[in-house]
Amino acid sequence: DGGITQSPKYLFRKEGQNVTLSCEQNLNHDAMYWYRQDPGQGLRLIYYSQIVNDFQKGDIAEGYSVSREKKESFPLTVTSAQKNPTAFYLCASSPLGGAPYNSPLHFGNGTRLTVT
Amino acid sequence: ILNVEQSPQSLHVQEGDSTNFTCSFPSSNFYALHWYRWETAKSPEALFVMTLNGDEKKKGRISATLNTKEGYSYLYIKGSQPEDSATYLCAFYSGAGSYQLTFGKGTKLSVIP
Repeated sequence: DGGITQSPKYLFRKEGQNVTLSCEQNLNHDAMYWYRQDPGQGLRLIYYSQIVNDFQKGDIAEGYSVSREKKESFPLTVTSAQKNPTAFYLCASSPLGGAPYNSPLHFGNGTRLTVT
Repeated sequence: ILNVEQSPQSLHVQEGDSTNFTCSFPSSNFYALHWYRWETAKSPEALFVMTLNGDEKKKGRISATLNTKEGYSYLYIKGSQPEDSATYLCAFYSGAGSYQLTFGKGTKLSVIP
């Protein structure tokens, strides 16, 4: 079955350490996204990528970095510069085609990161 | 940053009741409105993508309407069942040269058997 795999499900890190969250998709989708969810807030976009080797900042990119070396993979690194890294992180993908807004997002199951 | 408002924040209904909730979004520069259902311990799942003013979409007992001129969409659930319990998210796509969906905070629905 095609889908998006995020790993790990839970991640614990000490403050000051960088940590990388994995996201892999086998849907052959062009676009991939990283969202963050905090209690009482909507999903907020961190970074997105429409094509291999290209990505753009979302609304809350500070303290995060991404890479898109393969179509299937879009890892997110939470750096020590991110002031409030504890959150739930969702990865998503979508086909682009001629009208990208017409394509619903497909989500992974998420990674809950706790930094102490 | 665009603002997408959903109401109510949460509601409890009895099994068999019908219910509806609202998503409000900016009426300018509209491209699309997405609805997602997010069940606990699962990933969000797309329900509808709506692009035209007056659009009505239906999936089983769930339907949605869209008014782009006044900037709102309604989601209706007819005869709620316990398996409908979830958080319902709407997301607004303004286009505006980017590929960004702006999400509301969601409406959490609990259906009491």
